Amino acid sequence: EVQLVESGGGLVQPGGSLRLSCAASGFSFSSYWMSWVRQAPGKGLEWVANIKQDGNEKFYVDAVKGRFTISRDNAKNSLYLQMSSLRAEDTAVYYCARDRRYCSGGICQSWGLDHWGQGTLVTVSS
Amino acid sequence: QSALTQPASVSGSPGQSITISCTGTSSDVGSYNLVSWYQQQPGKAPKLMIYEGSKRPSGVSNRFSGSKSGNTASLTISGLQAEDEADYYCCSYAGSSINVFGTGTKVTVL
Repeated sequence: EVQLVESGGGLVQPGGSLRLSCAASGFSFSSYWMSWVRQAPGKGLEWVANIKQDGNEKFYVDAVKGRFTISRDNAKNSLYLQMSSLRAEDTAVYYCARDRRYCSGGICQSWGLDHWGQGTLVTVSS
Repeated sequence: QSALTQPASVSGSPGQSITISCTGTSSDVGSYNLVSWYQQQPGKAPKLMIYEGSKRPSGVSNRFSGSKSGNTASLTISGLQAEDEADYYCCSYAGSSINVFGTGTKVTVL
């Protein structure tokens, strides 16, 4: 059974940093792209970042570029999101998700996020 | 990276069919047959219901179907049931390894 378990959320002051983790099990973690998606309280879903199987390609939504860093440790079956210079608008539940892709000619296109964790809440407030 | 546009709410009676639209642009929905749909029950993580516009993952009821025309994708729920009451989000691949979600639709079963 595929399982994704996020951790690391909590209360942080504006301008602070936090690192989220996602522990994966039940599948070959190193074979899949992975994504982070967030949801502000009472709001919709927002894709945040994704990372290729080997960690060599990473992509971000404009709102977090230069502040967030996605990474992975395939030996530990773990995904991470390092968040810095946090703002009130980063307050959200952060989900990790397995990102399914078609790859052809070096281009990988996402067809869906087929498994999600339960999420971890990040609150940015003074 | 603007969010795709969905109606805020859609409602229907048990047994009826409802359709949720998802409008993007020629840079996302219109360029790729890679729209997915997610169901989110209150307090729960999203669940993949449709991928590649019209395909259902194993275990998803065939009452859920998807389609696309131009820059607009649609999710239809047939034979509406009380358990279908939830929020629904579309998502499209938008090129350069980026995904964009829709604004979300609350489905109410009357």
